[in-house]
Amino acid sequence: EAGVAQSPRYKIIEKRQSVAFWCNPISGHATLYWYQQILGQGPKLLIQFQNNGVVDDSQLPKDRFSAERLKGVDSTLKIQPAKLEDSAVYLCASSLGRLAGPYNEQFFGPGTRLTVL
Amino acid sequence: ELKVEQNPLFLSMQEGKNYTIYCNYSTTSDRLYWYRQDPGKSLESLFVLLSNGAVKQEGRLMASLDTKARLSTLHITAAVHDLSATYFCAVGGTGNQFYFGTGTSLTVIP
Repeated sequence: EAGVAQSPRYKIIEKRQSVAFWCNPISGHATLYWYQQILGQGPKLLIQFQNNGVVDDSQLPKDRFSAERLKGVDSTLKIQPAKLEDSAVYLCASSLGRLAGPYNEQFFGPGTRLTVL
Repeated sequence: ELKVEQNPLFLSMQEGKNYTIYCNYSTTSDRLYWYRQDPGKSLESLFVLLSNGAVKQEGRLMASLDTKARLSTLHITAAVHDLSATYFCAVGGTGNQFYFGTGTSLTVIP
């Protein structure tokens, strides 16, 4: 079974530039998550999708971050404009969602390491 | 918001020794997950704990959950170098969100 795919793996940009990350979840997984992991910290949830609808985006800085999941499969996360403090690894994860019941394990992609200079 | 604390944050232990990592959380949850992360890599699922008193073991690692105390432990038995990594616990929220702890960076010294 193919895992969660993410691209690019690395990205270096100047502050105030824009950047976009792409995620392809495991086939059949209804729920998709984007996390931000700052060096030395645990992942922090940015946004959660159930199919193509947003379930939770309470910690997404909406003035500069946006995300979409058209057709309920792939997703993109965009930052515009980037700040220095956005330097982090952006992880995408997917799970079966409500179909899994309580055993709703999340599977993580390899992440995109963003450096903002 | 659900808060998750892990301790210790850093752990250096000799091969062959035993140790326990603790994960405390602030509000009721009956779902607790343990992940391993190697440097520069993504998170690998280790254990899923779904009920009070749940205990799971895989090799030299054993995880347990006490929902009444809001505590999970990850016990390492006779550590080997290959176990060196960062270990995260994550607590399930009401909407299937995960709330991650700060992580425990484990280094096993020969």
